[in-house]
Amino acid sequence: DSGVTQTPKHLITATGQRVTLRCSPRSGDLSVYWYQQSLDQGLQFLIQYYNGEERAKGNILERFSAQQFPDLHSELNLSSLELGDSALYFCASSVYGTGGYNEQFFGPGTRLTVL
Amino acid sequence: KNQVEQSPQSLIILEGKNCTLQCNYTVSPFSNLRWYKQDTGRGPVSLTIMTFSENTKSNGRYTATLDADTKQSSLHITASQLSDSASYICVVSAGGSQGNLIFGKGTKLSVKP
Repeated sequence: DSGVTQTPKHLITATGQRVTLRCSPRSGDLSVYWYQQSLDQGLQFLIQYYNGEERAKGNILERFSAQQFPDLHSELNLSSLELGDSALYFCASSVYGTGGYNEQFFGPGTRLTVL
Repeated sequence: KNQVEQSPQSLIILEGKNCTLQCNYTVSPFSNLRWYKQDTGRGPVSLTIMTFSENTKSNGRYTATLDADTKQSSLHITASQLSDSASYICVVSAGGSQGNLIFGKGTKLSVKP
């Protein structure tokens, strides 16, 4: 158990809908990262928040947005969902916000299925 | 272009045997290289992190090596167990923000009895 929690575990929805994925980082970690992993694909970095502020952006679609709240939990909002958005979404957390020996701890993921 | 290439794409070995997974990278500047283990449907778990000055690091039956000159890394698994069946992901950090983490596509290892 990494200490990172994600809810829900599974989510099934229809095209065009909007969903919110939630992540609670490990106690003491200030950074939260979101990743997407499609079937048989590598992890794709979406976005990073550090202590409430956006720190880095990856391949995140305009239909997706995220935020980190004062209690450091984070939410990833996915809207106008398409079939291709079906994937595993992982959240990771780390103590610091920048590289170096900054180990990331991953949550168990949310499996999103868009029908 | 920053890239991380892993080989083989997949591998099947018998329980008790050793195996070596490869990672070649073209990432600059280089900060560190990480190996993660990802069980099917679960989040990746860190195995090792190595900086430029470290050329070998062990974590139990897992030993990672790094040759910063040739930009190659390997992950050696000794006396494999059924629980080693997973994807192994090589990740290279170019330092700075998260935007500089480059992920390989992983090697899928199956350990058969």
